[in-house]
Amino acid sequence: KQEVTQIPAALSVPEGENLVLNCSFTDSAIYNLQWFRQDPGKGLTSLLLIQSSQREQTSGRLNASLDKSSGRSTLYIAASQPGDSATYLCAVQGNMLTFGGGTRLMVKP
Amino acid sequence: DTGVSQDPRHKITKRGQNVTFRCDPISEHNRLYWYRQTLGQGPEFLTYFQNEAQLEKSRLLSDRFSAERPKGSFSTLEIQRTEQGDSAMYLCASSGRDRASNEQFFGPGTRLTVL
Repeated sequence: KQEVTQIPAALSVPEGENLVLNCSFTDSAIYNLQWFRQDPGKGLTSLLLIQSSQREQTSGRLNASLDKSSGRSTLYIAASQPGDSATYLCAVQGNMLTFGGGTRLMVKP
Repeated sequence: DTGVSQDPRHKITKRGQNVTFRCDPISEHNRLYWYRQTLGQGPEFLTYFQNEAQLEKSRLLSDRFSAERPKGSFSTLEIQRTEQGDSAMYLCASSGRDRASNEQFFGPGTRLTVL
């Protein structure tokens, strides 16, 4: 059974810092890995999708990497802003998405 | 706006009542998924349709839960005899045909509160 773990569970940083969110998974037989953002009480917004054959994807200030063999992914956020405050979820795709518990990020002005 | 819509956005019901939620996926997507999310946790898979066929169901989907996608377009999720433990956010997602690049797009969710 696939298990996904995200570390840290919560993170508070001052505005402008670069930060890294970690995601690990137990079964490397995945089609892809997706990172999502979730604001309180809202649905999920897809940020980045990395196919299993890829190593990384970039979108603006976000960069996600994937090391399938070691079962790890990282989401790098450059020059964090208060508007980045949200919960960040990673999910791996088998027949369905299996999610981690999320990292709650607070960026302080 | 991802294009996936869900109705209602909020539902408050009393224990023992039946509730039904609706999901309208992005029009060209043939795959539709239901997930449940409780406070402070990541979403958990419930069930998955490809066109009108329900291909997989989680063990979380007890016999009080039923989902349909009659014409391969919108889907409904019904919960019978609701219990307080059913209180959660119910999320719907859709995706296109290519599983390898299969990006799932989520709706805003339906928040269920069972009193």
